[in-house]
Amino acid sequence: SQQGEEDPQALSIQEGENATMNCSYKTSINNLQWYRQNSGRGLVHLILIRSNEREKHSGRLRVTLDTSKKSSSLLITASRAADTASYFCATDRRGSTLGRLYFGRGTQLTVWP
Amino acid sequence: NAGVTQTPKFQVLKTGQSMTLQCAQDMNHEYMSWYRQDPGMGLRLIHYSVGAGITDQGEVPNGYNVSRSTTEDFPLRLLSAAPSQTSVYFCASSYAGRGYEQYFGPGTRLTVT
Repeated sequence: SQQGEEDPQALSIQEGENATMNCSYKTSINNLQWYRQNSGRGLVHLILIRSNEREKHSGRLRVTLDTSKKSSSLLITASRAADTASYFCATDRRGSTLGRLYFGRGTQLTVWP
Repeated sequence: NAGVTQTPKFQVLKTGQSMTLQCAQDMNHEYMSWYRQDPGMGLRLIHYSVGAGITDQGEVPNGYNVSRSTTEDFPLRLLSAAPSQTSVYFCASSYAGRGYEQYFGPGTRLTVT
C-alpha cells in the first residue's frame, strides 16, 4: 500500500514565486525522500531527510520533517519554468525490507513564465 | 557509468502474448525494483530484489515474474499480457550507502491491446 500522500495534487504558480508541497505518512520511518519526474522521464532523487533531522537544504530546495505529525514539506524557492514537473515523496518505513520505498501519488507543479 | 538502462522504450503487445522487459545497472547496487506507474496512482511496486538470487513480491505482483541471476540484471517477465498491464514500467536500483536513494531507468511504455 502507498505510504505517502502528497498535497496538493496540483499546484500552479508564476515564475519567481515559492512552491510548497506537503507529504503525510502513516507509520514510523527511517528516512523520507523527495523525487522529481519530468514528463515522460524516470524519477530523479532530490533530497533525503533522516528521521532524526528536522530540516535540510539543497540549493533552492528546503525540506522539513515533523515526525510527531508524520509530515514533510518540500519548498522550492524562486521557482522557474524548468521546475515544472511531478514531485513525489517516498518513505523508508521502519521495520520494512531494507531498501523498499513507499511512494505517494505525487504533486503536479506547473510554473508559468 | 550508464546508470540504469531499460529496454525497450516502447512496446505494443496483443492480449495473451508474453515478453520480457530488460533492466540493467552498472553501479553494483544490491537492491533493484520494478514499479508500474498509472495515471493518478503514483508508483506501485511489482517485485524487488535485495541481491543476486533473492527476489520478493511487492504490492502488485500478479501476472509478472522476475529473476536476479547477476547483480547487474533484473528482467521483468509478463507471462500472458492483459490490457490491465498497459502502463509505464520503471526499474530502479539503490544501495545502503546512500540511504537507499533510488536511481531510476527511463521507463518502458507498454500497451496491451
